[in-house]
Amino acid sequence: EAGVVQSPRYKIIEKKQPVAFWCNPISGHNTLYWYRQNLGQGPELLIRYENEEAVDDSQLPKDRFSAERLKGVDSTLKIQPAELGDSAVYLCASSSRHTRSGANVLTFGAGSRLTVL
Amino acid sequence: RKEVEQDPGPFNVPEGATVAFNCTYSNSASQSFFWYRQDCRKEPKLLMSVYSSGNEDGRFTAQLNRASQYISLLIRDSKLSDSATYLCVVRSAGGGNKLTFGTGTQLKVEL
Repeated sequence: EAGVVQSPRYKIIEKKQPVAFWCNPISGHNTLYWYRQNLGQGPELLIRYENEEAVDDSQLPKDRFSAERLKGVDSTLKIQPAELGDSAVYLCASSSRHTRSGANVLTFGAGSRLTVL
Repeated sequence: RKEVEQDPGPFNVPEGATVAFNCTYSNSASQSFFWYRQDCRKEPKLLMSVYSSGNEDGRFTAQLNRASQYISLLIRDSKLSDSATYLCVVRSAGGGNKLTFGTGTQLKVEL
């Protein structure tokens, strides 16, 4: 089974430029997450989708960040314009329901490492 | 106060040692708990879920203390390959599938 696929793996841009990240979740996973992870920190949720609906985007900086998941499968996360503080790893994850606890277990992609100069 | 708090470490232990990490959470109504492992420059991966009665997976034991709002991870007979960051993860009550990560605890197992 293919895992969560993200691209690009690395991106270096100058500040004020736009950037986009793409994620293809595990087939059949209805829930998709975008997390941002800064060095030495845990992942922080940016947005969570249930199918094509964004059900939690409270932590997404909406002035410059946008996301979409048009057909409820793959998703894109865009930053425009990028700022120096946006340098981080952007992790996409999808989830299935844990059989015993009923909670969702996340499978992460390898991440997209963004450097803003 | 952060929703999920962990000691960032690093914990430097010799091979074969037993090491334990704690994680505290602020929302008493939190429903599910997990430990994820993250290797350097890699993505987090599920290590184990944490059940109310405590659970064990080989050298790893996880426990939950709801009264004191903390979970723990015990690693026995540490291996060099256990060196990683261990992330505590809590599922919020009433938040659907919202999972909140701690900052992680770094473990370094040395010869």
